[in-house]
Amino acid sequence: SQTIHQWPATLVQPVGSPLSLECTVEGTSNPNLYWYRQAAGRGLQLLFYSVGIGQISSEVPQNLSASRPQDRQFILSSKKLLLSDSGFYLCAGTGVVNTEAFFGQGTRLTVV
Amino acid sequence: TQLLEQSPQFLSIQEGENLTVYCNSSSVFSSLQWYRQEPGEGPVLLVTVVTGGEVKKLKRLTFQFGDARKDSSLHITAAQPGDTGLYLCAGKGGSYIPTFGRGTSLIVHP
Repeated sequence: SQTIHQWPATLVQPVGSPLSLECTVEGTSNPNLYWYRQAAGRGLQLLFYSVGIGQISSEVPQNLSASRPQDRQFILSSKKLLLSDSGFYLCAGTGVVNTEAFFGQGTRLTVV
Repeated sequence: TQLLEQSPQFLSIQEGENLTVYCNSSSVFSSLQWYRQEPGEGPVLLVTVVTGGEVKKLKRLTFQFGDARKDSSLHITAAQPGDTGLYLCAGKGGSYIPTFGRGTSLIVHP
């Protein structure tokens, strides 16, 4: 079955510090991968998506960036965090044939 | 741009009550998924509906896909506190990127 491992589960970072969130995929090859941010109890805001190694598309301008160095690895980064970057971040994937999204456990980021 | 409108946004009910959550769009979707998310965790897939008019049942949950494949509903019979969570619908349309609704936050009080 398709699985996403995402870490860390929680993170508290000072303003101006760098960020690196990583997720890895198991159970499928060449997945489409996504980074979402979610406000408390609400829907998902798509931040980035990737259809392959080195291919990144951004949905909204922001202080974040994404990279896909390997087929099953997707990284969300920032050089300098802002208070407004606080939130719940989800990594998700869809397979080549099966288009149902599968999600990681999420990372609760608090910028202080 | 394909949009999915979910209603209601919030629902607070007593244990044993029935409820229905709606997911509507002006666009046609080739498939539609329903997810349930608990606080601090990622969404978990409940069901996928593909055929217009399709009805699927998962214990006390009944999912229906509209005949025109533009809308869907989730009905819960005799809700239990364990049903508490955020329910998200998502559609697969012309783009490979799934379109998500904004979610319905359900609280079931014992």
